[in-house]
Amino acid sequence: DGGITQSPKYLFRKEGQNVTLSCEQNLNHDAMYWYRQDPGQGLRLIYYSQIVNDFQKGDIAEGYSVSREKKESFPLTVTSAQKNPTAFYLCASSIGVSSFTGANVLTFGAGSRLTVL
Amino acid sequence: AQSVTQPDIHITVSEGASLELRCNYSYGATPYLFWYVQSPGQGLQLLLKYFSGDTLVQGIKGFEAEFKRSQSSFNLRKPSVHWSDAAEYFCAVGFSGGGADGLTFGKGTHLIIQP
Repeated sequence: DGGITQSPKYLFRKEGQNVTLSCEQNLNHDAMYWYRQDPGQGLRLIYYSQIVNDFQKGDIAEGYSVSREKKESFPLTVTSAQKNPTAFYLCASSIGVSSFTGANVLTFGAGSRLTVL
Repeated sequence: AQSVTQPDIHITVSEGASLELRCNYSYGATPYLFWYVQSPGQGLQLLLKYFSGDTLVQGIKGFEAEFKRSQSSFNLRKPSVHWSDAAEYFCAVGFSGGGADGLTFGKGTHLIIQP
């Protein structure tokens, strides 16, 4: 079955360390997104990518970095510059802007919970 | 900029009772509207979506939502809730011009089901 796989499910980090969250999709979707979720805050967009080797900052990109070397993969690195990284991170994908309606329909992974010790 | 407001942070409903979750949006053009559901520690699942046409849309799990342009609302309803409906519900708005930067989400409504 097609879907989005995020790993690891749980991750613990010491202060000052960089960590990378994996996101892989086999839906043949062009667009991929990273959202951060905090209790009572809803979902906030970190980065998004419409095509390979291109990505844009979202609303809260500071302290994060991404790459899009393959269509299927969109890893997120939480750097030591991120002041409050403990959160639930969600990866999503969509068909992309080739379809006005399809571009808006997001499919989500199961999420990764990052805790800073 | 577009925004989504879900006025109720928590709602408690008795099993078998009807449910309505409120959602209001702010957007200058024709919105694309969505409801997603999230179980604890899981990703989001699409319940239903509105792009155009009939303003009453049916979704999965017996949910429906009605788009009211005059009230800028897209409320989610279910005639009879089940204990398995307990979850977090998110309303979201998309850009009818393309959607390159994903969706804007409300802060969510936590639904509690009383036995």
